[in-house]
Amino acid sequence: AQSVTQLGSHVSVSEGALVLLRCNYSSSVPPYLFWYVQYPNQGLQLLLKYTSAATLVKGINGFEAEFKKSETSFHLTKPSAHMSDAAEYFCAVRGSSNTGKLIFGQGTTLQVKP
Amino acid sequence: EPEVTQTPSHQVTQMGQEVILRCVPISNHLYFYWYRQILGQKVEFLVSFYNNEISEKSEIFDDQFSVERPDGSNFTLKIRSTKLEDSAMYFCASSDAGYNEQFFGPGTRLTVL
Repeated sequence: AQSVTQLGSHVSVSEGALVLLRCNYSSSVPPYLFWYVQYPNQGLQLLLKYTSAATLVKGINGFEAEFKKSETSFHLTKPSAHMSDAAEYFCAVRGSSNTGKLIFGQGTTLQVKP
Repeated sequence: EPEVTQTPSHQVTQMGQEVILRCVPISNHLYFYWYRQILGQKVEFLVSFYNNEISEKSEIFDDQFSVERPDGSNFTLKIRSTKLEDSAMYFCASSDAGYNEQFFGPGTRLTVL
C-alpha cells in the first residue's frame, strides 16, 4: 500500500534562506509523486510532479524536488525563501490502482520570517 | 485559465440533515474526485468517478455518501444524514487522465452542528 510521511508539521525559515520540506513515501509500485501548495482559503495547487522521468524535478515559483529511490524520499527545496511562500505544503503519492487517487501526507506549514 | 469551482464555500447544517456539495470540473476532464480534510488532519481520498460510475471509493465513503454527475457539467457529493464527524473541508478535483495531475477546487467548508 502507498503512504506518505512528511517530517515536520511546521517549518520556519527567514526570508532569503533555504527551504527544505521533507517527504518520504512507501509504494509497492514505481511511484508518481506530487507536491501541492495550499494558500489560505484556497484550493490545492500543483507545484511539481515526478513521473519516472528526470529525478530532479523543477516546479513553479522556484521550487524543485529530487526523487531518491534509495532513500524513498522526495524532498522539496527552494534556494531562497520569499514571504509569499508562506503556505501549507502537501506531498502526495498516486495510489497503485489506475483510478488516479492521491494519498497525501500530513502537510507542512511553512512560515517565512522577515 | 480553466479552473475547478465549488459551491457553496461554506455550508452549515444540523446533524441528520442532507447536504449536497457542488463542483464544476474543468470542461474537458474525464476523471473526478472528492477529498476531505478534517481540521488539523491530512487530506483524505473519498471517491473517484469516471465514465459515469464510481471507479474507487475509500472506507470513509459509506452508504451515507453518494456522487452524481447530473448534467454533464456538475459533479455533486451528497451526504444523506450528516454527522458531527462529517465536519471538514471538502475538495473536488478533476483530471484529463488518471495518471495526470489533478486540479483542485477551493473547497467547501462543511460545519455540522
